[in-house]
Order: sequence, then C-alpha cells, then structure tokens
Amino acid sequence: DVKVTQSSRYLVKRTGEKVFLECVQDMDHENMFWYRQDPGLGLRLIYFSYDVKMKEKGDIPEGYSVSREKKERFSLILESASTNQTSMYLCASKAGREGTQYFGPGTRLLVL
Amino acid sequence: DQQVKQNSPSLSVQEGRISILNCDYTNSMFDYFLWYKKYPAEGPTFLISISSIKDKNEDGRFTVFLNKSAKHLSLHIVPSQPGDSAVYFCAASRRGTGNQFYFGTGTSLTVIP
Repeated sequence: DVKVTQSSRYLVKRTGEKVFLECVQDMDHENMFWYRQDPGLGLRLIYFSYDVKMKEKGDIPEGYSVSREKKERFSLILESASTNQTSMYLCASKAGREGTQYFGPGTRLLVL
Repeated sequence: DQQVKQNSPSLSVQEGRISILNCDYTNSMFDYFLWYKKYPAEGPTFLISISSIKDKNEDGRFTVFLNKSAKHLSLHIVPSQPGDSAVYFCAASRRGTGNQFYFGTGTSLTVIP
C-alpha cells in the first residue's frame, strides 16, 4: 500500500523562524511535490523534484526552498517564516511520467 | 493564471440523488485528467481519472465525462451518500512531457441524509 508521511500534522512557529517540513515516501517514486492549500485557491505547487538532488520551481516558489538528498525524502524549507505562509502544506509523490500523485496527510502550519 | 477552474465552490445534494461536479480547463494540451477527494485534515486521495482519448470513464458510483471541444469535464456520483461529503478537486496534466498537475480550486460537496 502506498504511503506518504509528513513529519508533523500541526506546527506553530514565530515570524522569522526557519521551518523544516519533511516528507517521506516508501514507494520508490522518482517524483515528489510540495503544495500549499488555501481556501478559494485550491492546491498550488511550490516545488517539485524528479530525481535526487534535482528540483524545479512550481507556481509559487518565493520564500521557500527544497532539498532532496535521498530518493524517499523531500524537505520544504521556509528560510524566514512569515504570517502569509500560514497554510496547509501537502506533499505528494508519483512514479515516472504516468499515473497519479499520492498525497500525505498534510501539515497545518501557523506562523504567528 | 488559473488553468483549471471549478466555478462552484460548494454543492448540496440529497442522499440517493446524483451529484454533478464540474471543471473547466483552458490549456488544450492537457491530455490526462483526474479527480481527487479530500476530507478535512487529510491529504487528497485519488478518485478517478480519464485520458483524452476517452470521453467517459466509470468506476462504481463514480463516472467522469470529458468534453474536449468544450474543455470541460464533470464528475457524476450516483447515488450520493453522506460519506461522499468532502472537497473534490479536479486536476489536469500533459502526460509524457512533465510531472506537474494543475489543480482546480475545489468544490465542497455536502450530501444531506
């Protein structure tokens, strides 16, 4: 059974803090994705990675960076958290160029 | 610019009736379409997909229809059940050219018992 896990379900951080969101998949998928979900805006792609150490910007990469040192792990980094980064963050993975994306349970981040 | 649009933010349907969720897209290069279902505090789960070579795909109570000329797809749920109450996202992609899925803004379905 496909499994994508995210390190935290809920996080509360202060403005200016560095924040790490971790995602792990156990399906040996090449592709991994980070989205944020906001009311009325749907899912917006922040970054994705199609291989270890490879990354591509999505639609809203500003204020974020990512790291993929191992195939199964994809990290999202907020270098200096701001209140407008309060959101639900969703990680997903996908095999190859075909097929569907499998999502983790999400991390709800609150930046005060 | 939003390439995939769901113009109805919410929909209420009586149990047992048909639910129809709609989705429009602007990019004629999209050739693979999906519907995801999302419960609160959970990640989206894949529901059903359709390739552009088809105009209909059915899986149990769920059917997706694709009208390429209108750049429109719809999800039919029949009969609707209270457990179907969730947010539904449609997504589109260009298979073989990349991995990005473009998601709509979601429709919140409430099935009234």
